[in-house]
Amino acid sequence: DTAVSQTPKYLVTQMGNDKSIKCEQNLGHDTMYWYKQDSKKFLKIMFSYNNKELIINETVPNRFSPKSPDKAHLNLHINSLELGDSAVYFCASSQGQGSTEAFFGQGTRLTVV
Amino acid sequence: GEDVEQSLFLSVREGDSSVINCTYTDSSSTYLYWYKQEPGAGLQLLTYIFSNMDMKQDQRLTVLLNKKDKHLSLRIADTQTGDSAIYFCAESIGSSASKIIFGSGTRLSIRP
Repeated sequence: DTAVSQTPKYLVTQMGNDKSIKCEQNLGHDTMYWYKQDSKKFLKIMFSYNNKELIINETVPNRFSPKSPDKAHLNLHINSLELGDSAVYFCASSQGQGSTEAFFGQGTRLTVV
Repeated sequence: GEDVEQSLFLSVREGDSSVINCTYTDSSSTYLYWYKQEPGAGLQLLTYIFSNMDMKQDQRLTVLLNKKDKHLSLRIADTQTGDSAIYFCAESIGSSASKIIFGSGTRLSIRP
């Protein structure tokens, strides 16, 4: 009965590859997010989607493309992976309009070698 | 601008109170949160406070909000070894809370 689930939990891949991380929430929330947490534990928002529409896109390289097929899913596709993309990526969801809580997935540890 | 700042480390003796401080810059915050991250785990919401409140207490946790100074603190009474974690301060921006900005996290360590 996981509220926000991400797959895979770990991902090791070579530079230049293309990979996707999937996220699904079963909470009926209308807002979903992707955050990147670097090795120093800094959490930075990357994208925010509300009802399948992109509402926030921070200064993230074009190689990162979020895709939201429906309200319950927000997948992150990364092209031409670079060493600096290595991080833990967290998906989250909340009910917008003054949410009291964002629920986070367990994170995907991406290692680019 | 949108910025949330916290000190990076805090060490307290077991049984003492821990106070973790946070400052933020955006005055349009709707909610302010404290999240806890244990080693290798995701983020867990500990508590939150609405921006028009100045205090909230929840068992061992007390949140104080000074909106004028844009200062938020989390006090953990009777700190235990299980409280060792990274604590993130965060604020939601805008009326739709569509963006949540996190601080850098404060690593709380407990000494015997």
